[in-house]
Amino acid sequence: SQQGEEDPQALSIQEGENATMNCSYKTSINNLQWYRQNSGRGLVHLILIRSNEREKHSGRLRVTLDTSKKSSSLLITASRAADTASYFCATDAGSSYKLIFGSGTRLLVRP
Amino acid sequence: DGGITQSPKYLFRKEGQNVTLSCEQNLNHDAMYWYRQDPGQGLRLIYYSQIVNDFQKGDIAEGYSVSREKKESFPLTVTSAQKNPTAFYLCASSMTPYEQYFGPGTRLTVT
Repeated sequence: SQQGEEDPQALSIQEGENATMNCSYKTSINNLQWYRQNSGRGLVHLILIRSNEREKHSGRLRVTLDTSKKSSSLLITASRAADTASYFCATDAGSSYKLIFGSGTRLLVRP
Repeated sequence: DGGITQSPKYLFRKEGQNVTLSCEQNLNHDAMYWYRQDPGQGLRLIYYSQIVNDFQKGDIAEGYSVSREKKESFPLTVTSAQKNPTAFYLCASSMTPYEQYFGPGTRLTVT
């Protein structure tokens, strides 16, 4: 099975609300990354959090990491219709060059 | 305009034919990667290359081949041995082992 698994698989919210998605993984990691994919496009890197960090912010994004629970969460505050996309977590599983992606959370932000 | 280009965007082939997908980057990145994405799924690593003239198999290399003769180019050949070649193929590159930059993808349909 995949290293990272996102939850929920799909999320529908109203514009202006916050969106939270979670990622769980199985083995020790050096870092965890979040990526966004608009429909039919390539992925865009959002944020990287290292294993010795607990929280990181970037604009409207807030990522937390709990290595004891092997889980991470991505919070998007004050969501916009343009945030509609799929969001993937990716872990290195101890091998820096290889990333293992979860199956993603599909976020729909309704205007 | 720096980035990663993949061509073509859509590709159609008959079963039994080999097909080569192009990936070029002008970001001066050392590492390059090929992923496969099936509908509603995450990305699975096919091959990756950390340096010119060297590459390693990913998790699903069977039925695929690559070459890395130039730093800028990492073409992927989908051979007739690949049992289910219809998928969305994404190429990526990175300078560090962490943040990966993705191309726009090639959607391959084999009938």
